[in-house]
Amino acid sequence: GQQLNQSPQSMFIQEGEDVSMNCTSSSIFNTWLWYKQDPGEGPVLLIALYKAGELTSNGRLTAQFGITRKDSFLNISASIPSDVGIYFCAGQLGPTGANNLFFGTGTRLTVIP
Amino acid sequence: DGGITQSPKYLFRKEGQNVTLSCEQNLNHDAMYWYRQDPGQGLRLIYYSQIVNDFQKGDIAEGYSVSREKKESFPLTVTSAQKNPTAFYLCASSGPTSGRAIYEQYFGPGTRLTVT
Repeated sequence: GQQLNQSPQSMFIQEGEDVSMNCTSSSIFNTWLWYKQDPGEGPVLLIALYKAGELTSNGRLTAQFGITRKDSFLNISASIPSDVGIYFCAGQLGPTGANNLFFGTGTRLTVIP
Repeated sequence: DGGITQSPKYLFRKEGQNVTLSCEQNLNHDAMYWYRQDPGQGLRLIYYSQIVNDFQKGDIAEGYSVSREKKESFPLTVTSAQKNPTAFYLCASSGPTSGRAIYEQYFGPGTRLTVT
């Protein structure tokens, strides 16, 4: 299956700092999803984006669906210790079906108190 | 509470034994999926099912088998033919939400399988 290019691979930041990560693909997607995975747990859906150019917020999180439909970014403002985890992007081609959802390799975030 | 449950959380087996991982959902989702995650890596699709009594191979189906006899349940069997079975296994489901045509995938808490 296709892998999305997610960067950076890891980040070490001070508590209170803002964070930015992005995901790029050579393919066009109809939906972009951002998940967070805590150690030893399943990924939790944070934000879903459905239209090119869409900017969506969920608390301190903001994500955007790139105009070209080949990229997306996630920002976290004023980071706190519980933001620690792995953030995955996922691009979806159509409404359903597992063979049209592709995951990035993840960004591992460490927040230093 | 609606959600996806996976059991057990941790599973230990001897090499050469088959083992079945459980996945149950009460979200009334039609589609269910199994992924494998290795340390420091992303998710790789093992099998998926879009409807009861039907399932399809994903990218890494060799050494695994599934069944989908009920909408709520999608058990995964890791057979002795799987050469490197130790991994974190994640089950997911998807279905219509909030009237949207796009069906996001929601994940269970995972099962960590260790084979020695």
